Amino acid sequence: QQQVKQSPQSLIVQKGGISIINCAYENTAFDYFPWYQQFPGKGPALLIAIRPDVSEKKEGRFTISFNKSAKQFSLHIMDSQPGDSATYFCAASSRGATNKLIFGTGTLLAVQP
Amino acid sequence: NAGVTQTPKFQVLKTGQSMTLQCAQDMNHEYMSWYRQDPGMGLRLIHYSVGAGITDQGEVPNGYNVSRSTTEDFPLRLLSAAPSQTSVYFCASRRGTSYEQYFGPGTRLTVT
Repeated sequence: QQQVKQSPQSLIVQKGGISIINCAYENTAFDYFPWYQQFPGKGPALLIAIRPDVSEKKEGRFTISFNKSAKQFSLHIMDSQPGDSATYFCAASSRGATNKLIFGTGTLLAVQP
Repeated sequence: NAGVTQTPKFQVLKTGQSMTLQCAQDMNHEYMSWYRQDPGMGLRLIHYSVGAGITDQGEVPNGYNVSRSTTEDFPLRLLSAAPSQTSVYFCASRRGTSYEQYFGPGTRLTVT
């Protein structure tokens, strides 16, 4: 079963625009929600993460919005640049020694110049 | 600090062959894991380890074996390769007290 649902599958945005990627989760025990960025031929790298005790976290042009009651979170990329073109994965994890990360299916973002 | 390293980068196997994908980390992380990445399916957990001598199954363990004899190394063994195991494999590690995982560069495996 897919515990973290991600949309859209692909996204094309003009340079300077806002990219928005959405994720929804089912397990209310999740307490850590990271976003990973992956460039072609590379491994995923942590971009930004949020805990459910806050509704928003911003790091530079990247913002996570979190809606605990709706069990949804989203990544917003402001002033999108061609260098942001990559695949983005949302994920979720719950506290504990095993602490397994459950990933969404990924969004391929293309920022056109 | 090399971080998480994986070898080989690319591998082609014939159906039925066996091989070991190597993973090493130099960050003294307790937790290591193996994922496979397939188009449209994200990253799926194969096996993980919370420390030397301790391993457990993830979401898609069938056809794979792991062992963890040292903190640094976590090899993934394909016992009898099948075309369904064609994928990109990523190893990851993290500190036991942290959520943040560090990924290796991946191994692209093709089984014909």
